[in-house]
Amino acid sequence: AQKITQTQPGMFVQEKEAVTLDCTYDTSDPSYGLFWYKQPSSGEMIFLIYQGSYDQQNATEGRYSLNFQKARKSANLVISASQLGDSAMYFCAMSHSGGYQKVTFGTGTKLQVIP
Amino acid sequence: DTGVSQDPRHKITKRGQNVTFRCDPISEHNRLYWYRQTLGQGPEFLTYFQNEAQLEKSRLLSDRFSAERPKGSFSTLEIQRTEQGDSAMYLCASSLVATPPETQYFGPGTRLLVL
Repeated sequence: AQKITQTQPGMFVQEKEAVTLDCTYDTSDPSYGLFWYKQPSSGEMIFLIYQGSYDQQNATEGRYSLNFQKARKSANLVISASQLGDSAMYFCAMSHSGGYQKVTFGTGTKLQVIP
Repeated sequence: DTGVSQDPRHKITKRGQNVTFRCDPISEHNRLYWYRQTLGQGPEFLTYFQNEAQLEKSRLLSDRFSAERPKGSFSTLEIQRTEQGDSAMYLCASSLVATPPETQYFGPGTRLLVL
């Protein structure tokens, strides 16, 4: 069975600093995808970044980068130059191989950016 | 706004009543997903449609739950004889079957409170 583990229930970061949110996963599938979503207090899940299991390079999207270490089964999210608007819940998720993209989510990390 | 929309955003009901939620996916997306999210947890998969066909249902989806996507466009999720344990955020997501990554885009969710 697939499992996502986020061990940091909450994190604080100073505005303009970088922060790393941890994510480890467990799967026996050779092909999978890893996602990070942001969920503000309004509730909507906002897609941030994707990493495929066969991708050789770490994914980057603007201020977001994914530190993918396949052998360690980790997919940490790095947010550079934190902004007050980055305060939210962050979920790591994994898609399964097969005919559809059923996604398993972790329990999330609440990030608070301090002015 | 061409994103995923959900209606209503909030619903308060009494135990034993029936409720129905609607999801309108991104127009060209052919896959639609329903998730449930309880406090402090990540979203959990409930069911999935490809066009109008419901192809997968989670064990979380008891007999009191039914979902439809009659014309392969919008979808409804009905809960009959609601229980207090049904209180949660119900999230809808849509995606387009394409070359990877098949990214799910989420709506704002419907918050259900069963009294």
